[in-house]
Amino acid sequence: KQEVTQIPAALSVPEGENLVLNCSFTDSAIYNLQWFRQDPGKGLTSLLLIQSSQREQTSGRLNASLDKSSGRSTLYIAASQPGDSATYLCAVRPLDTGRRALTFGSGTRLQVQP
Amino acid sequence: KAGVTQTPRYLIKTRGQQVTLSCSPISGHRSVSWYQQTPGQGLQFLFEYFSETQRNKGNFPGRFSGRQFSNSRSEMNVSTLELGDSALYLCASSLSGTSGGFGTDTQYFGPGTRLTVL
Repeated sequence: KQEVTQIPAALSVPEGENLVLNCSFTDSAIYNLQWFRQDPGKGLTSLLLIQSSQREQTSGRLNASLDKSSGRSTLYIAASQPGDSATYLCAVRPLDTGRRALTFGSGTRLQVQP
Repeated sequence: KAGVTQTPRYLIKTRGQQVTLSCSPISGHRSVSWYQQTPGQGLQFLFEYFSETQRNKGNFPGRFSGRQFSNSRSEMNVSTLELGDSALYLCASSLSGTSGGFGTDTQYFGPGTRLTVL
């Protein structure tokens, strides 16, 4: 059974700092990995999707990397801003067509202090 | 392009009642997935529908059911509500979900329906 772990559970940084969020998964047979952000009481917003054949994806100040063989992904946020404060979740899509549901990590709650 | 919409946004029910939640996907999206989010269990997959067919199902009791209509709108129903069903229910749509090519699996989430069971 796929398990997804995110460390740290919470993180507080001053504005302007670069930071890295970690995601690890136990089964490397994945189709893709997705990063989301969730603001309190709201739905999820897709940030980046990395296919299993890719090593990284970039969008603005965000860069996500994937090392499938070691079961790890990182989300790098450059020059953090107070508006980046949210919970960040990673999710993996299995390769097995018989069990294709996304498995989510428990998230990293990020607070960027002005 | 309008995003994913969910109705109602908030619901208060009592134990034993049943509830129906609705989700309208982004125009053109054929895959709709439902998730339950609680502080204790996090995000858990309920089911996925694609072209009116249930394609995947999570580990939830039979009290949880869903369906998808020909216009891709989806509903989920929970019968005989229990206190533990209190949660944020999220739906997500994508172009093709698990069967499509690159980029078509990006999940777009709605704002959720907050269900409170008293």
